[in-house]
Amino acid sequence: EVQVVESGGGLVQAGGSLRLSCAASGFTFSSHWMSWVRQAPGKGLEWVATINEDGSKKFHVDSVRGRFTIFRDNAKNSLFLQMDGLRAEDTAVYYCASIFGAGCWGQGTLVTVSS
Amino acid sequence: QAGLTQPPSVSKDLRQTATLTCTGNGNNVGYQGAAWLQQHQGHPPKVLSYRNNNRPSGISERFSASRSGNTASLTITGLQPEDEADYYCSAWDSSLNGVVFGGGTKLTVL
Repeated sequence: EVQVVESGGGLVQAGGSLRLSCAASGFTFSSHWMSWVRQAPGKGLEWVATINEDGSKKFHVDSVRGRFTIFRDNAKNSLFLQMDGLRAEDTAVYYCASIFGAGCWGQGTLVTVSS
Repeated sequence: QAGLTQPPSVSKDLRQTATLTCTGNGNNVGYQGAAWLQQHQGHPPKVLSYRNNNRPSGISERFSASRSGNTASLTITGLQPEDEADYYCSAWDSSLNGVVFGGGTKLTVL
């Protein structure tokens, strides 16, 4: 079964840091671009970051560039999002996904930033 | 980032066919097509179609995706009550170097 499972969310104060993790299984992780997408309460989907198969190309939305970093460990079939300098507006459910490659999407992990 | 354009809402009768649209430009939908996601209230999104009408395992054949130029479409045949949900389209934008989403279409099954 194709699956991705996120972890690492929680409550953090503004200015703090969190590292999200995503464990992939059921597909050849190292062959696919992977992304983080977030959804604030009651809002639509917002792209956060994408990384290519070998991690040599990384793309981040303007609002998180310089604060968040996407990276991956293909040996462990894992994707990560290092989030520093968190702001209240980063509060959202964060999803790990292979939107266009493997067609899978996780259950999400909630990040709450208190101001 | 600029997004894709979806109608906010569509209503169709039970057992009818609904076609949802998603309009972008040559840098996104017209470049590599779109993926489609379904999201029920309070649940995470589920991928219905990706990379030119590939359906993940377990997705009903009632869902089919297509593209004409810069517009992608999701057709749902034989509408069921459980099809009532929000539907999002998504595409890679080669100009923005990022993923763009539509604002979502709320499908109501009457």
